[in-house]
Amino acid sequence: DVKVTQSSRYLVKRTGEKVFLECVQDMDHENMFWYRQDPGLGLRLIYFSYDVKMKEKGDIPEGYSVSREKKERFSLILESASTNQTSMYLCASRTSNEQYFGPGTRLTVT
Amino acid sequence: ILNVEQSPQSLHVQEGDSTNFTCSFPSSNFYALHWYRWETAKSPEALFVMTLNGDEKKKGRISATLNTKEGYSYLYIKGSQPEDSATYLCAFMDISWGKFQFGAGTQVVVTP
Repeated sequence: DVKVTQSSRYLVKRTGEKVFLECVQDMDHENMFWYRQDPGLGLRLIYFSYDVKMKEKGDIPEGYSVSREKKERFSLILESASTNQTSMYLCASRTSNEQYFGPGTRLTVT
Repeated sequence: ILNVEQSPQSLHVQEGDSTNFTCSFPSSNFYALHWYRWETAKSPEALFVMTLNGDEKKKGRISATLNTKEGYSYLYIKGSQPEDSATYLCAFMDISWGKFQFGAGTQVVVTP
């Protein structure tokens, strides 16, 4: 049974703070993804990674960076949080054809 | 601009009624179409992976059809129950592998 966990369910941060969102998967998947979900916009891809130390920009990478030091862990970093980054963040890991999601982190930036 | 569109955005259904909603996607470079159910406070859960034109899949009271030539998929819920209340997401995957393109979802609320 695939499990994808995210470090926090709810997070409140102040504008300008550095924010780390952590994601861990236990199925040895090479591919991992970070999305954000906003009303009416669907899930939008921020960054993804094919392998350790490897990262690719998704559709909306501005204001974000990522880190993949170990295969099971993929971190999303907001270098200087802004109010427009208030959103639901979902991590996923993937086989060739199936994607497994974490429970999401609802981040509020005040 | 979303290339993958879902309609309607939300649905209110009486318990016991059947309902359906649509996902439309690009008809070129098709590889797969995924349906997910996302209940509040839970992870999105995969329902179906559909790859062939004319595919029909079923899981309990929920079923889905696929038309890749015209670029749409229908999801049907038969005899809706309150536990069917969720947001249903579709995701299009093209042949370049890559990324999923998600629709904005259809929120279904089933009232007793």
